[in-house]
Amino acid sequence: EAQVTQNPRYLITVTGKKLTVTCSQNMNHEYMSWYRQDPGLGLRQIYYSMNVEATDKGDVPEGYKVSRKEKRNFPLILESPSPNQTSLYFCASSYSGGYGYTFGSGTRLTVV
Amino acid sequence: KNEVEQSPQNLTAQEGEFITINCSYSVGISALHWLQQHPGGGIVSLFMLSSGKKKHGRLIATINIQEKHSSLHITASHPRDSAVYICAVRSSEKGSARQLTFGSGTQLTVLP
Repeated sequence: EAQVTQNPRYLITVTGKKLTVTCSQNMNHEYMSWYRQDPGLGLRQIYYSMNVEATDKGDVPEGYKVSRKEKRNFPLILESPSPNQTSLYFCASSYSGGYGYTFGSGTRLTVV
Repeated sequence: KNEVEQSPQNLTAQEGEFITINCSYSVGISALHWLQQHPGGGIVSLFMLSSGKKKHGRLIATINIQEKHSSLHITASHPRDSAVYICAVRSSEKGSARQLTFGSGTQLTVLP
């Protein structure tokens, strides 16, 4: 089944403790991206990647890192999480032509 | 002013009604997407439009590039259509072509 897999689905962590949210797709998509969704602010793009070793900032990249060492994986790294990073996170992928996006199931992160 | 404006924010309909959700944007775009977010949080891509009209089952999406406006129509609405519908645009400006900008979403509730 074609899908984008995010893990974990839920995570509660403490301020400053490094964490990684994984994202993997099995569709050979070139394009992958990360979004956060907050009440009243909607979805906002954090980082995106056009292909392996090609990443770029979205609208809200501060406090996040990404890497794209393999085509299928695009992890989101929070080196020192803070409470304002409490949010619902989505990973998505598509072919480079920007056709329909496939979204992961989401990761609900709480930083206390 | 947000680049992508959706209306209405909330919509309640009776089963069987014809529903229209509107999206207006202020930037030049290469594509517009309609997304559906289920009550559980998962996001599904419904349509990608660059011109004209697309139809899938009871859903119809139209776009008017000159007026910078798109509509999502649902015919013969059903309670299972209850979800948040999100409009997203991909800018045609150089350097931002791979970024999506999202509307704030329309919460649709269809009553039996």
